[in-house]
Amino acid sequence: QKEVEQDPGPLSVPEGAIVSLNCTYSNSAFQYFMWYRQYSRKGPELLMYTYSSGNKEDGRFTAQVDKSSKYISLFIRDSQPSDSATYLCAMTTFGAGGTSYGKLTFGQGTILTVHP
Amino acid sequence: KAGVTQTPRYLIKTRGQQVTLSCSPISGHRSVSWYQQTPGQGLQFLFEYFSETQRNKGNFPGRFSGRQFSNSRSEMNVSTLELGDSALYLCASSWGDRGPYEQYFGPGTRLTVT
Repeated sequence: QKEVEQDPGPLSVPEGAIVSLNCTYSNSAFQYFMWYRQYSRKGPELLMYTYSSGNKEDGRFTAQVDKSSKYISLFIRDSQPSDSATYLCAMTTFGAGGTSYGKLTFGQGTILTVHP
Repeated sequence: KAGVTQTPRYLIKTRGQQVTLSCSPISGHRSVSWYQQTPGQGLQFLFEYFSETQRNKGNFPGRFSGRQFSNSRSEMNVSTLELGDSALYLCASSWGDRGPYEQYFGPGTRLTVT
């Protein structure tokens, strides 16, 4: 079983819809959580990062972390065709629980298509 | 601020050859991590360098190696190429010695082994 599970989709939504992307994980030592967006044939682009549990909002994007459930989410409001991409969750450990230097553990990615 | 750059962007090699890929991190970043991305396995961590020292290594054979220079630029080398080494190789940079620990990725080098 993978440390990070992410539904690969594909997910297809109409323009303007609210999109919910999710990941579950098994390693309770993960404390730092990130979401990346990757367009075809490009490198991943960092969207948001959060530390421990809680919510973080940045424009149309909201990231949520529930460490008790080992579950993280990314919400995209008012989705646009330009949001069509693969979304990757990533996480890592650091600090007193052990630091995995430089290593992010990724989910498989969810392919999202927003159609006009 | 300039982003992470990788060269070359595309490579075609033959089985048994070796290849060297280069990565220049964001100015000021001292940590460089390398990943292999394939459709089947996704993004897998290869190794990380900080101040010219390898601090962490993933589960890849010894044919995969790397190094970092005093200006934080990094190279990775794959010797005795196999067909299964065909992948997108990504490097990412971060501060490395303090939070936050998010990484910024380059565009990748697409390696095809024939």
